[in-house]
Amino acid sequence: EAGVAQSPRYKIIEKRQSVAFWCNPISGHATLYWYQQILGQGPKLLIQFQNNGVVDDSQLPKDRFSAERLKGVDSTLKIQPAKLEDSAVYLCASSRRGGLIYNEQFFGPGTRLTVL
Amino acid sequence: AQRVTQPEKLLSVFKGAPVELKCNYSYSGSPELFWYVQYSRQRLQLLLRHISRESIKGFTADLNKGETSFHLKKPFAQEEDSAMYYCALSEIQGAQKLVFGQGTRLTINP
Repeated sequence: EAGVAQSPRYKIIEKRQSVAFWCNPISGHATLYWYQQILGQGPKLLIQFQNNGVVDDSQLPKDRFSAERLKGVDSTLKIQPAKLEDSAVYLCASSRRGGLIYNEQFFGPGTRLTVL
Repeated sequence: AQRVTQPEKLLSVFKGAPVELKCNYSYSGSPELFWYVQYSRQRLQLLLRHISRESIKGFTADLNKGETSFHLKKPFAQEEDSAMYYCALSEIQGAQKLVFGQGTRLTINP
C-alpha cells in the first residue's frame, strides 16, 4: 500500500509570512496526526483528527496554527504568521481507527520548514 | 504528566559489541511503550512495541514497571543499526497519541 504522502518536502520563508503543508494519509486510515519536530527533540503532537473531527489539539498554538481535514481524507496545516521558533520538521502520520486495541501510526517523510 | 526521557543524545559502540539505549517514562496508568527508529533519509518507523514481546532485527526491550524503564538492547551491534532511536509511549485505548523522548543517535563503528 502507498505510504503517507506530504508536500512540500522543504520550505523556506521569512518570519511573518504564511505557509501551508499538505498530507495525504494511507487509504482507509481514519486517524490523522500532525507532529512538530524541532531540531534535537522528539516529535510533539500538534493535532489529531478522527475522520474530519478534532480529537486533540491541546498543543496547537491556535493563535497562529490551524489545521483542517474537511472530507476526512487529506489534511492541511497552516501557519500564519510564522515565527523563527516554528522552524522544524512537520510530520504527518495516520492510523486505522482508534479503539480498544492500539493501531500503529505510519509516518510521512515530513516537511522541513526554515523560517528566516 | 506524561513524559519520556532518553538520557543519552549520542551513543557510539563498536560492531559486535552489546548495545543498550535507555528510556525512562512517567505516566499515570499503564501505557503502551514503543521504540521507533529513523534510518538515514528514511521515515520514522516502528521498531518494536512492548506488548508484542517480539525481537525485531535482534533488538529486544523489557518493560520494568517498578523502575518505569523500557531500555532497548541488542547483544551484538551491526553497522546497519546506526540510526536515530526514539522511545515513545501511548495510552492503550482512547486517543492513542504518541509522546516521544528526545531521541538517541546510535553510531556503530566498524
